[in-house]
Amino acid sequence: GAGVSQTPSNKVTEKGKYVELRCDPISGHTALYWYRQSLGQGPEFLIYFQGTGAADDSGLPNDRFFAVRPEGSVSTLKIQRTERGDSAVYLCASSLAGGQQETQYFGPGTRLLVL
Amino acid sequence: GENVEQHPSTLSVQEGDSAVIKCTYSDSASNYFPWYKQELGKRPQLIIDIRSNVGEKKDQRIAVTLNKTAKHFSLHITETQPEDSAVYFCAASPQVNKFYFGSGTKLNVKP
Repeated sequence: GAGVSQTPSNKVTEKGKYVELRCDPISGHTALYWYRQSLGQGPEFLIYFQGTGAADDSGLPNDRFFAVRPEGSVSTLKIQRTERGDSAVYLCASSLAGGQQETQYFGPGTRLLVL
Repeated sequence: GENVEQHPSTLSVQEGDSAVIKCTYSDSASNYFPWYKQELGKRPQLIIDIRSNVGEKKDQRIAVTLNKTAKHFSLHITETQPEDSAVYFCAASPQVNKFYFGSGTKLNVKP
């Protein structure tokens, strides 16, 4: 079946602008995660959704970052007043039920470049 | 929080040789340890995982070992092939659905 998809694949924006990144998880997966991957580093946890609610948002770096998942499927990561340091690949992952020790399946990522 | 360290950062081997990548973790509550392979510009893909109730798991040319007492786990790839070339990430999970990743190992398999 279809895997996790993310759009856009690339996004170039100017410092101070607002961006939205979209994630479409595997059909039927109730758990969804956002990670940020800087160049040469491993993915860094941002936020985890179980259904429509954010169960853990402790990884969001500051209040410029916000994510929603209104219908329990597609999620949008929103970044306000972008800064050059926000440049990274933003990865989305999903898992079936959100249980412990459960495999997370990753999307291809959105490469964000803030000029 | 959990801290995962991964070594080496780069590894170059001759085709057919074995490759070993090591990770340590700090939180004794971690009980799930997946390994992901990421080719350039592609998504991370799970290649093998191990749970804390076992010490070793094998899948064809790939094996993972876990030492809970020492808080370290390792990925072993035997009979390496050029298509094994990629960046490999280890991760540890001390709580529900929160993965902490290592910084990655770039493996280069020379034909």
